[in-house]
Amino acid sequence: ETGVTQTPRHLVMGMTNKKSLKCEQHLGHNAMYWYKQSAKKPLELMFVYNFKEQTENNSVPSRFSPECPNSSHLFLHLHTLQPEDSALYLCASSQEQPGNTGELFFGEGSRLTVL
Amino acid sequence: KNEVEQSPQNLTAQEGEFITINCSYSVGISALHWLQQHPGGGIVSLFMLSSGKKKHGRLIATINIQEKHSSLHITASHPRDSAVYICAVNLYTGNQFYFGTGTSLTVIP
Repeated sequence: ETGVTQTPRHLVMGMTNKKSLKCEQHLGHNAMYWYKQSAKKPLELMFVYNFKEQTENNSVPSRFSPECPNSSHLFLHLHTLQPEDSALYLCASSQEQPGNTGELFFGEGSRLTVL
Repeated sequence: KNEVEQSPQNLTAQEGEFITINCSYSVGISALHWLQQHPGGGIVSLFMLSSGKKKHGRLIATINIQEKHSSLHITASHPRDSAVYICAVNLYTGNQFYFGTGTSLTVIP
């Protein structure tokens, strides 16, 4: 138990579906992240939120839409995805301090399959 | 070219062997992290270090800032150590991380 909970753990969707991934952290951290992990590739940063404000959008297609209603919750809304978007989506949190970022705490991941 | 390079990519060891995984990076960092990912996906942070050496149980992590290199050692390896080990670096500016592609370790009983 890392203190970061992701749901659902597995998701299968068609290209025309709309679904959402949810992340919740119970650690009191001020930064939350979405990462994409594809086979044989390094983790790719998608979005970063600091104190609910988006500070990074790593050229992610608009079919991925993040939402951070408060510092404990993070969503990734999915719409009109492509089969190549099939991957493991990982949420993480950390405590950001001036000039330093703390340890990353990851959720278990949401395994997404787009048919 | 990835900012973080790990070696080896795959490693198979007999139970009890001493294991070393290496990580080299090419950017200025404030900290380096070693992460462990088990089948099923979840990632756990093993170490965060910015200098010297840290030890936790059978795991030891070292870093040489001048040479931009870190190693993760596992002593007396066990099948439950089988996982993917990922090196990540944290830049000085902001909360940007760069990740290696991981080292897949299999420890055979």
